[in-house]
Amino acid sequence: NAGVTQTPKFQVLKTGQSMTLQCAQDMNHNSMYWYRQDPGMGLRLIYYSASEGTTDKGEVPNGYNVSRLNKREFSLRLESAAPSQTSVYFCASSRLADEQYFGPGTRLTVT
Amino acid sequence: QKEVEQDPGPLSVPEGAIVSLNCTYSNSAFQYFMWYRQYSRKGPELLMYTYSSGNKEDGRFTAQVDKSSKYISLFIRDSQPSDSATYLCAMSEGAGNNRKLIWGLGTSLAVNP
Repeated sequence: NAGVTQTPKFQVLKTGQSMTLQCAQDMNHNSMYWYRQDPGMGLRLIYYSASEGTTDKGEVPNGYNVSRLNKREFSLRLESAAPSQTSVYFCASSRLADEQYFGPGTRLTVT
Repeated sequence: QKEVEQDPGPLSVPEGAIVSLNCTYSNSAFQYFMWYRQYSRKGPELLMYTYSSGNKEDGRFTAQVDKSSKYISLFIRDSQPSDSATYLCAMSEGAGNNRKLIWGLGTSLAVNP
């Protein structure tokens, strides 16, 4: 089992460019999450999907959109990237809300 | 004031030491308490999970929850260099799969050979 996979691992964008971060899990989990992690700010929830077909905002949703494509896949889109979105992005999935399994992360730099 | 407070450290100890990591919280409705470990440039991984008050032991790791003081701890016995990582506490309230985790900022631990 690969667990939670994320692509790409690294990305550099210019301000105003768009991109989609991909996430897939092979553990048959219902719930999936997108977090960003910044020094001094910790992990902050961007969006989550408690089940296929539903998505909800987390703590910091502005500037992002998500799509729960199917039970396995949950993508995060930045429509017009800003330097404030420079961060490490983690996708996670869970069967139970608390036992979350994380992917390896995407390091995004916006210049 | 944040809902969950965690001293970011860094904490540096010699190999073999007993390590104590702590979080305090303000929301008395929290019932589920977790410790995650995050190695450098990796995603967090669940280390310990506790429901309500009490202790839970797993090998060299012990998690304690004191709900009356709103305080949780993670103890690492006989610490090893491989324990060098950032330790994040997380907690949640209520029931159902819609509940969200509230995270501490993480404590950076270095175990020196």
